[in-house]
Amino acid sequence: GEDVEQSLFLSVREGDSSVINCTYTDSSSTYLYWYKQEPGAGLQLLTYIFSNMDMKQDQRLTVLLNKKDKHLSLRIADTQTGDSAIYFCAERGSGTYKYIFGTGTRLKVLA
Amino acid sequence: DVKVTQSSRYLVKRTGEKVFLECVQDMDHENMFWYRQDPGLGLRLIYFSYDVKMKEKGDIPEGYSVSREKKERFSLILESASTNQTSMYLCASSFLGRRSTDTQYFGPGTRLTVL
Repeated sequence: GEDVEQSLFLSVREGDSSVINCTYTDSSSTYLYWYKQEPGAGLQLLTYIFSNMDMKQDQRLTVLLNKKDKHLSLRIADTQTGDSAIYFCAERGSGTYKYIFGTGTRLKVLA
Repeated sequence: DVKVTQSSRYLVKRTGEKVFLECVQDMDHENMFWYRQDPGLGLRLIYFSYDVKMKEKGDIPEGYSVSREKKERFSLILESASTNQTSMYLCASSFLGRRSTDTQYFGPGTRLTVL
């Protein structure tokens, strides 16, 4: 079945770049999402990318998609303490309601 | 802004109690979802509804039921709560999913503890 995998933890120093990685198995995935969850809160959509794109940039966020390897990454430039959160990767096929979420990566930003 | 609200942020119940978790969205979304979130397991879909009175089982429906009598409201019911249902419960809503920009919007979550 479909599966989305992420590493569980990442620790970076304030001001450095963070790169959070995600791999997925469903080759029919059309939309890929990154969500952020702050402590005690629900998930907030950060950005998304379509499967016909290789890269998307939005201010400090850069999403890279390698379709051949089914690998998605989220790069956060100039990471701040406010970026400390859990980041979820998710994928969805075209015309389907079902989202497949990864386990989430807990990002810790050290001052 | 889309708003998805959940009736409680924290709940403590006893084993065997019937538990109702309520979710309301104000964006006229057709789809509504209930997930549970557990450390290391990510989000797992419990139930999904694409219209009033319509529901579909997700990946882990056992021990749960749902009700959608109005478009804006989706309830998750634990008929007889058990300790292994202690978890964070997240509600989400979205449009039908035909458009590329249709994405899910989440509520703040309900942390349920069953003693």
